[in-house]
Amino acid sequence: KNQVEQSPQSLIILEGKNCTLQCNYTVSPFSNLRWYKQDTGRGPVSLTIMTFSENTKSNGRYTATLDADTKQSSLHITASQLSDSASYICVVSPNAGNNRKLIWGLGTSLAVNP
Amino acid sequence: GAVVSQHPSRVICKSGTSVKIECRSLDFQATTMFWYRQFPKQSLMLMATSNEGSKATYEQGVEKDKFLINHASLTLSTLTVTSAHPEDSSFYICSALPVAGQGVGKDTEAFFGQGTRLTVV
Repeated sequence: KNQVEQSPQSLIILEGKNCTLQCNYTVSPFSNLRWYKQDTGRGPVSLTIMTFSENTKSNGRYTATLDADTKQSSLHITASQLSDSASYICVVSPNAGNNRKLIWGLGTSLAVNP
Repeated sequence: GAVVSQHPSRVICKSGTSVKIECRSLDFQATTMFWYRQFPKQSLMLMATSNEGSKATYEQGVEKDKFLINHASLTLSTLTVTSAHPEDSSFYICSALPVAGQGVGKDTEAFFGQGTRLTVV
């Protein structure tokens, strides 16, 4: 069964600290893995998207890694800011160009406190 | 960047009435749009795929007569929740897939609207 599991479920950190969120998947076949940030009451916003051949990708203070062999991904947030408080969702696409078959994780709820 | 606008952002309606939600791609064309529903602390669940000029494709378990989808132009898709009931209260999100060749996005990634919070009382 295609699944995406994220950990931790929730996380609280102090402003300025770094954190790493984890994503394990059992999706096959595999086309790409995406990380989204979803603020409360808002739609998801794309942070990174990685294909099979990419093992790291950065977007500002966000750095995602991908190990296609172990089927694991991580999202590292550097020098956290209060505005980073949100849900971070890992999404795996089994087929290129098929947004209908995306497999969504439940997300990690991050709270950045002053 | 690619912007997808949903309207309204919040709506409260009485049980038994219908509610229409609009999803617009503001700076690109999209032949395909997607409609999702998200319950609290749950992941997004795809309800249907909206195709410009043709019938929508509904996911298993989603009632097409209850959730009417119209995709009449390359920049607008609407979702109408008919005869709404309290159990339809949820967060509805659309996404739009840019037509290839517009120089928008990459890897055939769809862009999301800001969502609509529907409360049926």
